[in-house]
Amino acid sequence: EAEVAQSPRYKITEKSQAVAFWCDPISGHATLYWYRQILGQGPELLVQFQDESVVDDSQLPKDRFSAERLKGVDSTLKIQPAELGDSAMYLCASSLGDGSQETQYFGPGTRLLVL
Amino acid sequence: GNSVTQMEGPVTLSEEAFLTINCTYTATGYPSLFWYVQYPGEGLQLLLKATKADDKGSNKGFEATYRKETTSFHLEKGSVQVSDSAVYFCALIDTGRRALTFGSGTRLQVQP
Repeated sequence: EAEVAQSPRYKITEKSQAVAFWCDPISGHATLYWYRQILGQGPELLVQFQDESVVDDSQLPKDRFSAERLKGVDSTLKIQPAELGDSAMYLCASSLGDGSQETQYFGPGTRLLVL
Repeated sequence: GNSVTQMEGPVTLSEEAFLTINCTYTATGYPSLFWYVQYPGEGLQLLLKATKADDKGSNKGFEATYRKETTSFHLEKGSVQVSDSAVYFCALIDTGRRALTFGSGTRLQVQP
């Protein structure tokens, strides 16, 4: 069964450093999402792509976060500089389309700890 | 705005007990409703979904019915197993939005 791949699985960094996360969605999935899950809470959307275009980044802290999906396949989420409050699980998900009935498939996540 | 409210956990049950996890929602349109499960150390997996009022989603013995009149989507299972121990998230996608809105999650612990 096809899966969403993410790397690294764990990342420890010091504040003010740069970090990057990678996501490879299920083949053929046009829509890709990055969510952030703070411990004890549900995931919240950071950014959504349709193919290579950003369709929703209203909750992305653009002063420090950036995301790209250059060829409409895999995606990178970057934080520069990292802050203590960025410690969380970063989840990538993908779906065939962006309709409200579409199922989103999640990767295993990247757990970030900022010291 | 959209929101999802779940009962707080942890919910601790003995094996073979009946499970109910309450979920209510607020949405401006006609949302689709989902239950996701997160096992320790893993990502979220879709458990079941319902896309319109009165639909029942079911999978692996779990069921939830989309109740528009009470804006609810409660998760039930007749007989839980130790392997069901996980965190369960209720979520919705509203018409006009594309991303999931999640509840805060309910941790289920099943004891042998």
